[in-house]
Order: sequence, then structure tokens, then C-alpha cells
Amino acid sequence: NAGVTQTPKFQVLKTGQSMTLQCAQDMNHNSMYWYRQDPGMGLRLIYYSASEGTTDKGEVPNGYNVSRLNKREFSLRLESAAPSQTSVYFCASRGSGTGVETQYFGPGTRLLVL
Amino acid sequence: SQQGEEDPQALSIQEGENATMNCSYKTSINNLQWYRQNSGRGLVHLILIRSNEREKHSGRLRVTLDTSKKSSSLLITASRAADTASYFCATGSSGTYKYIFGTGTRLKVLA
Repeated sequence: NAGVTQTPKFQVLKTGQSMTLQCAQDMNHNSMYWYRQDPGMGLRLIYYSASEGTTDKGEVPNGYNVSRLNKREFSLRLESAAPSQTSVYFCASRGSGTGVETQYFGPGTRLLVL
Repeated sequence: SQQGEEDPQALSIQEGENATMNCSYKTSINNLQWYRQNSGRGLVHLILIRSNEREKHSGRLRVTLDTSKKSSSLLITASRAADTASYFCATGSSGTYKYIFGTGTRLKVLA
């Protein structure tokens, strides 16, 4: 049981390049989330998926797109990377139902945009 | 904008002392959670308190919630060097799958 996995762990991009961050969970969770964390700040929600087949914008969605490929996988795409997107990106998942509010986080992807 | 604001931003204590950190939020919530983040790692869930609860314990952790003041506190008793980490509160509201995180408190426990 690996929990939440993210790939890659590190990435360096040039301005204007595109890339996709991958996230997968093996806990049969319905909800999945993408956050970014900037130095000295908490996590800000980029996009989330309440269930397979649905996605919704979070607090800072501009410059990103997401795909909920199936129940296990939720990817985050940067179409044209900008230096302002340099950050650490965390994926999380959560089960469903009352009393299942805990989010489980992946180890993060560190992205540097030059 | 951030829902949760935490204070202090940083806290340094000696091993064995208690550590208290606070979280304030702006809107009505269904539950409030505390997470720990070790340097360079993902967040780990510590404890959840619901809006109809006032206090909750888990091991050396004690969480209080005052919905009238829109604030919560996390107390870590008898701290250890291994408690050195950043601590974040996160609020969840009814009818939404979204969670809003605070800015975090960086705790350093000196051996």
C-alpha cells in the first residue's frame, strides 16, 4: 500500500515549456487535490476532483489544467510554464462519507522554472 | 486568500516544554484539522476536531476549538526534538470538498 505517489520528484523547466505532474493513490479514495506551497506559506488549492469525472477550480487555478484520468490518477498540467510557477506541488486524496475528512498527501514535486 | 492564519509564525522551545500554536479562521466551518510537515516532506494528518466539539486529545496533542472566536489552538505537551516541524491548520466547510490551509507555525525543539 503505497498511499499517494507523485512523479517526478524534481523538475527544472525553461519559461514556456510544458509538463505534466502525475499523481496516483491506491486507497480507493474518491476525492483528489492539487496544492502548491511557496516558501513560508501554507498550501494553496489549485484544483480538486470530488469524484471520478469531475474537476473544480481552487484558489489559484490560472496557468494550470487537470485531468482525473480514473479513480486512481489525477494529473496537473502546466501548458506554458512561468517563473511564478516555481513551487512545491503536493497531491492529496481523501475518502468519502462522514468522518472521512482526513487528507493523505504525496511527497511533493519540486518545480523550478527558469 | 488564506482562511487560516496561525501564530506564532515561529516558535523555539526546549525539549520537555509545552508548545502552543494558534489558528484563526474567517468563515463558518464544519471541522478543523491540524497537520505536521517535516522539512522537505508532505503533510501528515495529526488530529481533527468538529465544529460541535470544544476539545480533543490524542496522545501528547490537545486541540481546542472556539467557534465564537473562530479560533483553535494546538498544544503539544512534553515536546521532543522529533516534534521539530511546521504545523498547519486546515478548515473544512459543509457542502464543499475544499480545505483551506493556514500559513503554518515553524516549531523548533532544542535538545
